[in-house]
Amino acid sequence: QKEVEQDPGPLSVPEGAIVSLNCTYSNSAFQYFMWYRQYSRKGPELLMYTYSSGNKEDGRFTAQVDKSSKYISLFIRDSQPSDSATYLCAMSPLSGSRLTFGEGTQLTVNP
Amino acid sequence: GAVVSQHPSWVICKSGTSVKIECRSLDFQATTMFWYRQFPKQSLMLMATSNEGSKATYEQGVEKDKFLINHASLTLSTLTVTSAHPEDSSFYICSARDPRSGGYNEQFFGPGTRLTVL
Repeated sequence: QKEVEQDPGPLSVPEGAIVSLNCTYSNSAFQYFMWYRQYSRKGPELLMYTYSSGNKEDGRFTAQVDKSSKYISLFIRDSQPSDSATYLCAMSPLSGSRLTFGEGTQLTVNP
Repeated sequence: GAVVSQHPSWVICKSGTSVKIECRSLDFQATTMFWYRQFPKQSLMLMATSNEGSKATYEQGVEKDKFLINHASLTLSTLTVTSAHPEDSSFYICSARDPRSGGYNEQFFGPGTRLTVL
């Protein structure tokens, strides 16, 4: 069983839709939860990180962590075609330590 | 945010040759760099953790004699794929931890190097 599970999609939505991306994990030691965006043939870029449980909002993006359920989510409001990319969740037990990535969800936002 | 570069961005080589990939932190000193491999439509798999001035720590199943890592300075780490074979063809990505980050030591990723072994 993988430590981090993420539905690879692909996910296709119309422009303006609300997108929900999710990951589940099995390692209760994970404390830091990140969402990365990766465009084709590029390195990942950090979108948001959350420490422990709770919500975090940044513009159109909201990250949620439910440690009791070992479940994290990323919501994208008013999705744009430029949001089309692969979204990877990542987790680590300690600040700056090795990251364990999910498989990534390929998102396409259609104009 | 901090900038990490990789060189080359794309390399094609013949089977049996060695290929060196460079990872540089451009505007900060990185005591720790990470090397990942990503196959098509798959996630990033950590290969090794590279610490400046010491030997790299390899993940289970990664051959240290095949994937040589050198972190000779605070801004440069290199990955050498020795005697490359077609199954080594992949997207290699490095990341560097910026110690200036506040509460969380964010890892900044390079743009990746696509290796194709013929």
